Amino acid sequence: AQSVTQPDIHITVSEGASLELRCNYSYGATPYLFWYVQSPGQGLQLLLKYFSGDTLVQGIKGFEAEFKRSQSSFNLRKPSVHWSDAAEYFCAVGATGSARQLTFGSGTQLTVLP
Amino acid sequence: SQTIHQWPATLVQPVGSPLSLECTVEGTSNPNLYWYRQAAGRGLQLLFYSVGIGQISSEVPQNLSASRPQDRQFILSSKKLLLSDSGFYLCAWRTTGGGEQYFGPGTRLTVT
Repeated sequence: AQSVTQPDIHITVSEGASLELRCNYSYGATPYLFWYVQSPGQGLQLLLKYFSGDTLVQGIKGFEAEFKRSQSSFNLRKPSVHWSDAAEYFCAVGATGSARQLTFGSGTQLTVLP
Repeated sequence: SQTIHQWPATLVQPVGSPLSLECTVEGTSNPNLYWYRQAAGRGLQLLFYSVGIGQISSEVPQNLSASRPQDRQFILSSKKLLLSDSGFYLCAWRTTGGGEQYFGPGTRLTVT
């Protein structure tokens, strides 16, 4: 069975600082990998996705993520965080060819200090 | 472009009352549809998904049910709500055979 671990429940960074959110997955084949962001009381917005090819993927809002098969990781990065980035971030893994598809991590809450 | 709607946005219901949450998708045909629940401070739990009209797969046995009466309509129901049904309910869709899911704005349900 597939699973996702986000080891950091809560991260605090200062505005302008760099950010890295960790995600580790367990899946028997090449997975589909996703990062979503959720603002309070809102639905989830897709930041970026990895299906195949280049292991460094670019997303919206200046985010990027790198797929590392050897480490079973898909960490999310941003070089300079803005106050508006404060939100909860979810990593998800999907099974190829499965309608059931996504398994989500438990999320990382990001606080941005002025 | 595709749009997903959920209503109501907020709902407060007494224990034992019925529930009906609705989700509709515009701008696509034959989507896969999903219902998730998000409890306070926790991740997403997949409740049901559907690959077509009348086809429902249940992930978690509980007092909730789902139906898909039309191609782009997905309904979450309960005959008698429990306190533990409180949470944030999210509907999502994806294209058949696609990868990513797209989420609606959610419904906040409080059972009192």
